[in-house]
Amino acid sequence: AQSVTQLDSHVSVSEGTPVLLRCNYSSSYSPSLFWYVQHPNKGLQLLLKYTSAATLVKGINGFEAEFKKSETSFHLTKPSAHMSDAAEYFCVVPNQAGTALIFGKGTTLSVSS
Amino acid sequence: ETGVTQSPTHLIKTRGQQVTLRCSSQSGHNTVSWYQQALGQGPQFIFQYYREEENGRGNFPPRFSGLQFPNYSSELNVNALELDDSALYLCASSPGTSRLIEQFFGPGTRLTVL
Repeated sequence: AQSVTQLDSHVSVSEGTPVLLRCNYSSSYSPSLFWYVQHPNKGLQLLLKYTSAATLVKGINGFEAEFKKSETSFHLTKPSAHMSDAAEYFCVVPNQAGTALIFGKGTTLSVSS
Repeated sequence: ETGVTQSPTHLIKTRGQQVTLRCSSQSGHNTVSWYQQALGQGPQFIFQYYREEENGRGNFPPRFSGLQFPNYSSELNVNALELDDSALYLCASSPGTSRLIEQFFGPGTRLTVL
């Protein structure tokens, strides 16, 4: 079965400092992986996706993630946090059939000035 | 291009009642998936509809049912509401069912069961 584990429920950073949100995955097949962001009272928006092409994936708003098969990880990073990055972030793996997205429990990112 | 829309935005029901939530898919998308997001949790997959047929179902009881219409819009129906059904219900559409394809989410319907 597929699953994702987000290692931090809450991450706090200062504006202008790097962001690291950690995700480990478990999959019996070569996975696709996604990061989605959810701002308060808004729907989920795709940040980036890995689909077995380049292992370093660049997304929107300066975010990127690196797929590391040996570590079964797909951590999300950003060099410099902005106040507008404060939101809930979800690491996601689709099931093999492509019918369902399996979400992690989420990481709340807080950004202070 | 219009994105995924959902109605209503908020809904309050009492235990035992029935509710219908609606979703309009993004133009060109033939697949709609429904998710339940309890407070402080990640979304949980309810079911998916592809070309008007149920194409997969999560671990939800039969009182959760759905429909997809010829224009690919969809409804989620929940019978015999329970307090634990209080959640944000998210609809997502996509141009197919591959695990390589992004799902596009609507803003959700907040259901409160009293």
